[in-house]
Amino acid sequence: DQQVKQNSPSLSVQEGRISILNCDYTNSMFDYFLWYKKYPAEGPTFLISISSIKDKNEDGRFTVFLNKSAKHLSLHIVPSQPGDSAVYFCAAIQGAQKLVFGQGTRLTINP
Amino acid sequence: DGGITQSPKYLFRKEGQNVTLSCEQNLNHDAMYWYRQDPGQGLRLIYYSQIVNDFQKGDIAEGYSVSREKKESFPLTVTSAQKNPTAFYLCASSPGNFYGYTFGSGTRLTVV
Repeated sequence: DQQVKQNSPSLSVQEGRISILNCDYTNSMFDYFLWYKKYPAEGPTFLISISSIKDKNEDGRFTVFLNKSAKHLSLHIVPSQPGDSAVYFCAAIQGAQKLVFGQGTRLTINP
Repeated sequence: DGGITQSPKYLFRKEGQNVTLSCEQNLNHDAMYWYRQDPGQGLRLIYYSQIVNDFQKGDIAEGYSVSREKKESFPLTVTSAQKNPTAFYLCASSPGNFYGYTFGSGTRLTVV
């Protein structure tokens, strides 16, 4: 039972344009949602998070939007840069600190 | 610098052999976790431990075992009972909130 889903395995975006990564979830009890960035052969690094009581959180070029009624969140990267090329994982957490991850989306930024 | 160390980075084993992956943290975190990454399946939780001498099964614990004798260490043993052990294994630790959730750099295990 996949509680967090990233339905796009890959995404290709032109440098300087907006990258939009999507994530859907099924458990309405999740408290926080997080995005992680992962390079090959490395551990994921925390990017940005959003509380379930908010609908938007912004940090520099990264903005996360949460639509609770649709059980959907998205990560916007503007402008996209070559260093943003990585695998992005959406994750959710409920109470007891266990993170539940989506399958990941591989983002490629083209020059 | 505080961090979480996984060793070795690459590991090769013959089928039928048990193998132990090391995970050490000097962040003074109470909780530690083991995840497995497979292509197209994201990160799946194997085992986790919230305090010393206590651990719980995650979503895919079959064929794995862990111990938590020290706060700093959470080794994972991949036993011969694990049907598809070849994967990328990630260890993580947390002080009790997600902001401090820190991952190691991973161990790629290949069973031949």
